Amino acid sequence: DAGVTQSPTHLIKTRGQHVTLRCSPISGHKSVSWYQQVLGQGPQFIFQYYEKEERGRGNFPDRFSARQFPNYSSELNVNALLLGDSALYLCASSYPRGADTQYFGPGTRLTVL
Amino acid sequence: LAKTTQPISMDSYEGQEVNITCSHNNIATNDYITWYQQFPSQGPRFIIQGYKTKVTNEVASLFIPADRKSSTLSLPRVSLSDTAVYYCLVGDNSGAGSYQLTFGKGTKLSVIP
Repeated sequence: DAGVTQSPTHLIKTRGQHVTLRCSPISGHKSVSWYQQVLGQGPQFIFQYYEKEERGRGNFPDRFSARQFPNYSSELNVNALLLGDSALYLCASSYPRGADTQYFGPGTRLTVL
Repeated sequence: LAKTTQPISMDSYEGQEVNITCSHNNIATNDYITWYQQFPSQGPRFIIQGYKTKVTNEVASLFIPADRKSSTLSLPRVSLSDTAVYYCLVGDNSGAGSYQLTFGKGTKLSVIP
């Protein structure tokens, strides 16, 4: 079975722009979580979705939003990009939900100039 | 917001057993404790998961005391390829009804030849 996939692999944007990151979970997994990892730090929780509904939200501004589709794939959207948004964005899927075993994708490296 | 605490770094010689402890308060009753390994620019990789007492798999053991306020990851006979950052992950249900997943700050393990 394929693991968690994320696209794109790398992305360069300028301040003020908008970005959409995509994630496809492992087949059969219904929960998707998003994390931001700044260089040298641990992943920080952004969102968790389960069965297309938001299950948890981390301490991130409203510029960050996400959604989960009927096929359980997910998008993370970030508006009005700031330099500080430069990070590795990780997606993880799990079944059924919570802190159960989460399988991470390779991440999307976002650079904001 | 519950916090997790791990040693920032550890050094070990090849072939030795390494024990990394994570402290975690306010763990939810139904949550599991999960440990991950992360290499630079890659997503975290699942190592082991447990709820209480001891769990062992082909790569590690996990010890959890009865109060579940801490856990210890044990890596037997480490090799150079075990050099990585190790994180513990627990569910955090202390945030005003939202369900947040909290990574520890990570322990950078350096294995010395």
